[in-house]
Amino acid sequence: DVKVTQSSRYLVKRTGEKVFLECVQDMDHENMFWYRQDPGLGLRLIYFSYDVKMKEKGDIPEGYSVSREKKERFSLILESASTNQTSMYLCASSQQYGQYFGPGTRLTVT
Amino acid sequence: RKEVEQDPGPFNVPEGATVAFNCTYSNSASQSFFWYRQDCRKEPKLLMSVYSSGNEDGRFTAQLNRASQYISLLIRDSKLSDSATYLCVVNFLSGGYQKVTFGTGTKLQVIP
Repeated sequence: DVKVTQSSRYLVKRTGEKVFLECVQDMDHENMFWYRQDPGLGLRLIYFSYDVKMKEKGDIPEGYSVSREKKERFSLILESASTNQTSMYLCASSQQYGQYFGPGTRLTVT
Repeated sequence: RKEVEQDPGPFNVPEGATVAFNCTYSNSASQSFFWYRQDCRKEPKLLMSVYSSGNEDGRFTAQLNRASQYISLLIRDSKLSDSATYLCVVNFLSGGYQKVTFGTGTKLQVIP
């Protein structure tokens, strides 16, 4: 079974803090994704990566950056957290068909 | 127009009933299609791929209608454990990459 893990289930940060969310997959998948999920808006793609050190912007990249130094690890960085970044953050990986998601990190920015 | 649209529901159905959801997509060049299931406060999980010829997995049947640009999910003999939100996913090539678009989901509540 594919396993995707995320560094934290719940996180509370203050406005202006730098936030790191980490995601690790154990199936040697090429593709990794970061989404945020908000009520009524569904899943929205922030960034994705199709290879090590490669990144592409998704639909809502503003205020976020990513890093993929190793194939199994994809990090999402909030350079200066703001209250409108309070959300559920989901990481996913895929090879050919379908995506496998981590359990999510519920981030609250106060 | 949204790229992928779903009726948010909720669909409240009795146990044992048959229920069907549709999902429409706007990009005629879309290439692959999936249904995911998401339980409350959990991550989405891949339920099944959707093929033009239709495919079945136990009580679940998925269909693709390219001419009318929609996919469907049929659940027969509904169980209480089927209660969840069902997300449709549409992939198409954009800028050399597979662009993955999720619908906002249809909520199903199976009632005893």
